[in-house]
Amino acid sequence: SQQGEEDPQALSIQEGENATMNCSYKTSINNLQWYRQNSGRGLVHLILIRSNEREKHSGRLRVTLDTSKKSSSLLITASRAADTASYFCATDAGLILTGGGNKLTFGTGTQLKVEL
Amino acid sequence: DADVTQTPRNRITKTGKRIMLECSQTKGHDRMYWYRQDPGLGLRLIYYSFDVKDINKGEISDGYSVSRQAQAKFSLSLESAIPNQTALYFCATSDHRTEQFFGPGTRLTVL
Repeated sequence: SQQGEEDPQALSIQEGENATMNCSYKTSINNLQWYRQNSGRGLVHLILIRSNEREKHSGRLRVTLDTSKKSSSLLITASRAADTASYFCATDAGLILTGGGNKLTFGTGTQLKVEL
Repeated sequence: DADVTQTPRNRITKTGKRIMLECSQTKGHDRMYWYRQDPGLGLRLIYYSFDVKDINKGEISDGYSVSRQAQAKFSLSLESAIPNQTALYFCATSDHRTEQFFGPGTRLTVL
């Protein structure tokens, strides 16, 4: 079963606009990560936010985490055509005490298209 | 990521054939993973290994087996391939509790 569910499934915007993607999950987590995938290629890590963090920034990316609502959002500001890709959230819910963790559960992804 | 390589990149095979997908990494990570990706379903974990002597089943391990030949090598086998194993397969590596680094993927088609 999928831990994370992204919303929307697809998003089309104009270059320069902001893009917001949301992720909901079901269980308690240690951290949540966002990945990007260009068509048919391997995933590339974008940003990691820990369960005790509420917001994190990296360049044009802003991620928020609300553990009470079990949700996260990824904001890409001033989007570019090169941002066109699929974006996935992934949750790490491993048991720290038993040495688990870093076994990620991925959502189904949001396909972002940025048009010129 | 060039530090994680997968071979072959594309493979077409027939139902019932045995096939092996190989993954190598030069990142020095202990942890390695195999995922499959199907359209609309995201990535699903097949097997993972936290060190050379550790092998664990993931969400969808039936019909697959793995071998961790060394810290840097993790192979996925389909003992008797079937058409619904047609998918994009990814290998990934990580340190403890950090991001995962993915290979370029293997596109497998089972006829």
